[in-house]
Amino acid sequence: KQEVTQIPAALSVPEGENLVLNCSFTDSAIYNLQWFRQDPGKGLTSLLLIQSSQREQTSGRLNASLDKSSGRSTLYIAASQPGDSATYLCASTHDMRFGAGTRLTVKP
Amino acid sequence: DGGITQSPKYLFRKEGQNVTLSCEQNLNHDAMYWYRQDPGQGLRLIYYSQIVNDFQKGDIAEGYSVSREKKESFPLTVTSAQKNPTAFYLCASSPGRRSSYNEQFFGPGTRLTVL
Repeated sequence: KQEVTQIPAALSVPEGENLVLNCSFTDSAIYNLQWFRQDPGKGLTSLLLIQSSQREQTSGRLNASLDKSSGRSTLYIAASQPGDSATYLCASTHDMRFGAGTRLTVKP
Repeated sequence: DGGITQSPKYLFRKEGQNVTLSCEQNLNHDAMYWYRQDPGQGLRLIYYSQIVNDFQKGDIAEGYSVSREKKESFPLTVTSAQKNPTAFYLCASSPGRRSSYNEQFFGPGTRLTVL
């Protein structure tokens, strides 16, 4: 049974800093890995999906990587802005397994 | 404007009452899902459906029921048997497992509170 973990639970950085969010999973036979953003009281917004045959995906200032052998995915956010403040969740969506999320605060 | 709609946004339930949460999608997706989110926790799967007239229990199905009579609709009923229903409920859809790019998309959620 796939388990997905995100550490740390919360992260605070100054504006302009580059940062990395971490996601770990237990089953290396992962089908795909999806990253989401959630604002308080809102639904999840899809950011990036990496298929098992891919190693990374990019969208604007976001870059997500997938390393199946180590059971890790990372979400890199370049030049962080206060508007990036939200909770970021990763999921093995084929297994319908989600991490608890990392709450990011970007301070002006 | 394609997407997933959930209604109502807020719902209050009295003890012993059944309530139904609505989820509709116009993305022509085969698969639909219901998740529950509690404060500070990840999403937990309640039920999912890969095709019309078929659905499967998730990890926390007890006290919940669903139907999938139409491709576009996947309503969730929270029954009186669910002892702790206060939570944020999220509906999602995806193209389905036959698609190699099975990306999930979410609705805005329904917040259910027991009075």
